[in-house]
Amino acid sequence: GESVGLHLPTLSVQEGDNSIINCAYSNSASDYFIWYKQESGKGPQFIIDIRSNMDKRQGQRVTVLLNKTVKHLSLQIAATQPGDSAVYFCAENAGGTSYGKLTFGQGTILTVHP
Amino acid sequence: DTAVSQTPKYLVTQMGNDKSIKCEQNLGHDTMYWYKQDSKKFLKIMFSYNNKELIINETVPNRFSPKSPDKAHLNLHINSLELGDSAVYFCASSQNPGIYGYTFGSGTRLTVV
Repeated sequence: GESVGLHLPTLSVQEGDNSIINCAYSNSASDYFIWYKQESGKGPQFIIDIRSNMDKRQGQRVTVLLNKTVKHLSLQIAATQPGDSAVYFCAENAGGTSYGKLTFGQGTILTVHP
Repeated sequence: DTAVSQTPKYLVTQMGNDKSIKCEQNLGHDTMYWYKQDSKKFLKIMFSYNNKELIINETVPNRFSPKSPDKAHLNLHINSLELGDSAVYFCASSQNPGIYGYTFGSGTRLTVV
């Protein structure tokens, strides 16, 4: 079946560096994408979202890029901090008969070294 | 105030037992979900209820039975627990997942021994 996946399962960076987490999706019907952050022992927390009619959206220190041509999503974190260490998931909503269901990618473990 | 709360946070039980996990949301959302997260952190949807009505039922063993007494509550009952049921179970809610995504609870770690 169609799924959302990730290129890199782990990412280690130094504090202050910029981080880029990638996600590939295969469902061309998906029209809404979300990045979630999951810290140890906690539930996933919404970071930023983007609709399919956009290719870039910026938040505080985070930017999401969407390339529908190659079905690719990325999360950029500027000036990464130790508190950014977590598992990051991309998720998609396909709409239509899949309305209401978010399909999650594998997850990338981000480790930030002080 | 906790927006989506699950109880218990940890649950250790023997194979064959029956257990329940409770979930409550105070956000006024119409839709609630149960997701299972395995040891590899993969999150997979199990069920979804919209205003007490079941709308999503993925391929889940019928030992798992969700119950929604009202739109603020979605409980998960599991019969005849098996070792493979060990996972973290997350409850979530949304007003419109195609616009706002989900708000997750903090999870229930179920360990079957």
